[in-house]
Amino acid sequence: SQKIEQNSEALNIQEGKTATLTCNYTNYSPAYLQWYRQDPGRGPVFLLLIRENEKEKRKERLKVTFDTTLKQSLFHITASQPADSATYLCALADATGGFKTIFGAGTRLFVKA
Amino acid sequence: DAGVIQSPRHEVTEMGQEVTLRCKPISGHNSLFWYRQTMMRGLELLIYFNNNVPIDDSGMPEDRFSAKMPNASFSTLKIQPSEPRDSAVYFCASRGTGLNTEAFFGQGTRLTVV
Repeated sequence: SQKIEQNSEALNIQEGKTATLTCNYTNYSPAYLQWYRQDPGRGPVFLLLIRENEKEKRKERLKVTFDTTLKQSLFHITASQPADSATYLCALADATGGFKTIFGAGTRLFVKA
Repeated sequence: DAGVIQSPRHEVTEMGQEVTLRCKPISGHNSLFWYRQTMMRGLELLIYFNNNVPIDDSGMPEDRFSAKMPNASFSTLKIQPSEPRDSAVYFCASRGTGLNTEAFFGQGTRLTVV
């Protein structure tokens, strides 16, 4: 069955360091992969999208890589700040499924000052 | 645009009662998704619509759950009868077409079934 895996353990890092979150998937051929941020009591908010034919995408302090051979995406936040503390969700969209979007369970990030 | 609007924000109901959750997507968006989020299971896709037509409802847990989209600006998710295990946060999201394929989420409805 299709599965998206994110590290269920929270990630604790010091302010200024780079946070790296992992998303692995199985039995899936995504047309594109997205990363979202979710704060407590709020809905997820879109951050970045990377397509199947792209290796890397950047936006300000954020960087996403996409390896369709390894079936893995890495999400990096450089120069992390306490305001980056949130849950980060990986999402995949499959063209054969009409681009229905499936989410991983998310990884909680804590950035300490 | 005010974004995706869901109502109510909170709902507390007794087991066995009917619950109806409502969603108004962003104007011009042609895809609408209903998700359920719990600590144990994360964000689960229940059903999604393209151009008001249900495309995939394989995530709907049981026959007690039903969803409709009578027009492009309104959708409902109904649970009848409700059970305590249905307690969760239910999110509606909408998405446009073309290269802008991000999903926009509503604030969610926190459902508690006692």
